[in-house]
Amino acid sequence: DAGVIQSPRHEVTEMGQEVTLRCKPISGHDYLFWYRQTMMRGLELLIYFNNNVPIDDSGMPEDRFSAKMPNASFSTLKIQPSEPRDSAVYFCASSGLAGGPGETQYFGPGTRLLVL
Amino acid sequence: AQSVTQLDSQVPVFEEAPVELRCNYSSSVSVYLFWYVQYPNQGLQLLLKYLSGSTLVKGINGFEAEFNKSQTSFHLRKPSVHISDTAEYFCAVSLYSSASKIIFGSGTRLSIRP
Repeated sequence: DAGVIQSPRHEVTEMGQEVTLRCKPISGHDYLFWYRQTMMRGLELLIYFNNNVPIDDSGMPEDRFSAKMPNASFSTLKIQPSEPRDSAVYFCASSGLAGGPGETQYFGPGTRLLVL
Repeated sequence: AQSVTQLDSQVPVFEEAPVELRCNYSSSVSVYLFWYVQYPNQGLQLLLKYLSGSTLVKGINGFEAEFNKSQTSFHLRKPSVHISDTAEYFCAVSLYSSASKIIFGSGTRLSIRP
């Protein structure tokens, strides 16, 4: 299995521009998570989906952030308009419940976003 | 609400020395506990997890952790560290009722000195 795939790996953009981050979860996994990691705030859960449906988006910082999961193999996290304080590493992770409770989350390599 | 506290932001140790990374959690209900590791410029990967049963859990790369319910702790240990263990280590917790959602601690950076 290729693992969780994220693109792009690095993104540099200017303030005010739209940014779209992409994620392909591990095949067969029915949970998908988006995290943001910064030095100041650590690892924060932004939103997670179950069977393509958003379950908890309480971690989404503000309306500039939106996430979609149109099908089981693809999700996007969009920031519009972007701001310098959005600079961070964004991780996507997936998991399944085939193994029961306490399922392991598998992380992608992350997208390093820099907003100038 | 549950929370996770990692008291040490950085832990420097010499190669081949033992190490303990501390983790305490707060929850009024039963939880699952995890340790994840993040190597430089990579995503997180699972080291070990406690779901139930034996309180001593063994993971990959020679790490182990002990669940102590009375002290609400889940400390990570390794008897002899290697340079390749240099990484950031995250303790995490999830509730039985919401097993899919994991709350991560702030992380402990382990640096190994030769």
